[in-house]
Amino acid sequence: AQKITQTQPGMFVQEKEAVTLDCTYDTSDQSYGLFWYKQPSSGEMIFLIYQGSYDEQNATEGRYSLNFQKARKSANLVISASQLGDSAMYFCAMREGIGSARQLTFGSGTQLTVLP
Amino acid sequence: NAGVTQTPKFQVLKTGQSMTLQCAQDMNHEYMSWYRQDPGMGLRLIHYSVGAGITDQGEVPNGYNVSRSTTEDFPLRLLSAAPSQTSVYFCASSYRPGSLGVTEAFFGQGTRLTVV
Repeated sequence: AQKITQTQPGMFVQEKEAVTLDCTYDTSDQSYGLFWYKQPSSGEMIFLIYQGSYDEQNATEGRYSLNFQKARKSANLVISASQLGDSAMYFCAMREGIGSARQLTFGSGTQLTVLP
Repeated sequence: NAGVTQTPKFQVLKTGQSMTLQCAQDMNHEYMSWYRQDPGMGLRLIHYSVGAGITDQGEVPNGYNVSRSTTEDFPLRLLSAAPSQTSVYFCASSYRPGSLGVTEAFFGQGTRLTVV
């Protein structure tokens, strides 16, 4: 079974509008962390935001927020006021077990295109 | 502060050749890992290390070897290159997750490998 599922291979959004990128996860661990990374066309991986399984509030970082719904096992990324520079591939990832040696597991990604 | 440095950035190999992808980090991170990125499949874990002298296999380890003799370096060896190993390879590092949470992984710029 897929541990991280991103069901939107591609998304379009108009500049200055908000967009939500979906991510669902599967784990039996009580302790885990969820991450979002951005990969622009230049190829580097840029860390955006992190949510811990015990965090009661949704994480926010500037224009990025994470809509964390633990019971539904979803961790959607919300980008507000989209900019042309937000056009990129976005990956959701999970690290299971706080303090464990487990590494990141990634979803297949969502290609976001911001339209002028 | 260089972060995670991968060399080379691009490489073309003939089937059966061997080579080593280099990865070095200067952040004193204990955790290091290698991923491969293929279209539509996100990043998949090849091998990882939780400290000098300690390595373990990830999701797709066949055809690759690693060693970790120092904290800074984590080379990935392709023993006999095959066309199926054509991919983009990323090295990543992070601090050991603490008891209160997990840390994001810092990625190198990637190595684009083509095996003909």
